[in-house]
Amino acid sequence: DVKVTQSSRYLVKRTGEKVFLECVQDMDHENMFWYRQDPGLGLRLIYFSYDVKMKEKGDIPEGYSVSREKKERFSLILESASTSQTSMYLCASTARGTGTIWQYFGPGTRLTVT
Amino acid sequence: GENVEQHPSTLSVQEGDSAVIKCTYSDSASNYFPWYKQELGKRPQLIIDIRSNVGEKKDQRIAVTLNKTAKHFSLHITETQPEDSAVYFCAASRPGGYQKVTFGTGTKLQVIP
Repeated sequence: DVKVTQSSRYLVKRTGEKVFLECVQDMDHENMFWYRQDPGLGLRLIYFSYDVKMKEKGDIPEGYSVSREKKERFSLILESASTSQTSMYLCASTARGTGTIWQYFGPGTRLTVT
Repeated sequence: GENVEQHPSTLSVQEGDSAVIKCTYSDSASNYFPWYKQELGKRPQLIIDIRSNVGEKKDQRIAVTLNKTAKHFSLHITETQPEDSAVYFCAASRPGGYQKVTFGTGTKLQVIP
């Protein structure tokens, strides 16, 4: 059974703080993704990684950075948190292949920036 | 980049009725279209997918249809049950993009017992 875990379910931070969100998957997946989920806006891709130390910007990368030092771990970093970054953050992973692209999601981290 | 539009944003049906959710995509190179279901407080999970070489796919009470020419695809749920109540997301993916998918904005389906 694939497991994707995230470091926190709920997080409250102050404006200007540096925030780290971590995601770990146990299925040796090559690809990992960070999304934010907001009502009415769906799931928007922030960054993704297709290999260790490799990263690509998604649709809304501004204000975020990522790190992938190990294959199983993908971190999302908010360099200086702002209230506009209050959201639900979801991590996902997929294996390479040409069949079904099964994005396995983590449970999400609800981040509140005050 | 790809843009996926999804309608309606909310949908209420009586138990036993059918529900249809529609999506359009902009990138003609997209060839893979998954649907995810997210129950309240839970993570999204893949429920069905379709590739562009197929026009329709069924799995028990759910089916997906694809019109490549019009760049439309739809999710059909028949004989709806209360446990079908959730947010449904359509998505599109093109080849060679590291399996990146672009999601629609979601449809909140409520099945009224």
